[in-house]
Amino acid sequence: GAVVSQHPSWVICKSGTSVKIECRSLDFQATTMFWYRQFPKQSLMLMATSNEGSKATYEQGVEKDKFLINHASLTLSTLTVTSAHPEDSSFYICSARDKGTGNTIYFGEGSWLTVV
Amino acid sequence: GQQLNQSPQSMFIQEGEDVSMNCTSSSIFNTWLWYKQEPGEGPVLLIALYKAGELTSNGRLTAQFGITRKDSFLNISASIPSDVGIYFCAPNRDDKIIFGKGTRLHILP
Repeated sequence: GAVVSQHPSWVICKSGTSVKIECRSLDFQATTMFWYRQFPKQSLMLMATSNEGSKATYEQGVEKDKFLINHASLTLSTLTVTSAHPEDSSFYICSARDKGTGNTIYFGEGSWLTVV
Repeated sequence: GQQLNQSPQSMFIQEGEDVSMNCTSSSIFNTWLWYKQEPGEGPVLLIALYKAGELTSNGRLTAQFGITRKDSFLNISASIPSDVGIYFCAPNRDDKIIFGKGTRLHILP
């Protein structure tokens, strides 16, 4: 079945540095991917919608200059957390829409980011 | 913005009991999805509902899409230990999936 893979699964970075998280659709093409953030014991909050070949659409309150999203191909979207701070530590989850199966949306396994 | 209310927030039940949780909203949605998430993992789709009034089952799980398109419920029958986790309702409108706050299911030994 369709699989969405995220890399890395977990990452620890120093405050002030940038970190990139990849989201790949492994056996289908995804023109649209979504990025969520989840803090401990909270729900998933949609950050942005990533569209292949165009700019991402950010939800209200999400800083687009801090969370850079690039969807350069039909199977890869990246989220770069720039100048990361401890409050950016969170579980980041992507999902991808498979138009080939009636717009079914599949979620990745998530990426843990810890900023120290 | 749209309000999405999921209840209960948590449940403590005995193995074998039935479980019921629901979501209500002030907005109309085209699709209601139910996901389960286990610690440290991404959410896994349990049931997808596409039509108002639709009642769908997946094994011991049953979910319904409310007639008004503003609510949905999920039932789990004869709970087992592996049902432990967080269950999210996730309606879809304008091609975006929005998550409820989740229902944490605990099963007592």
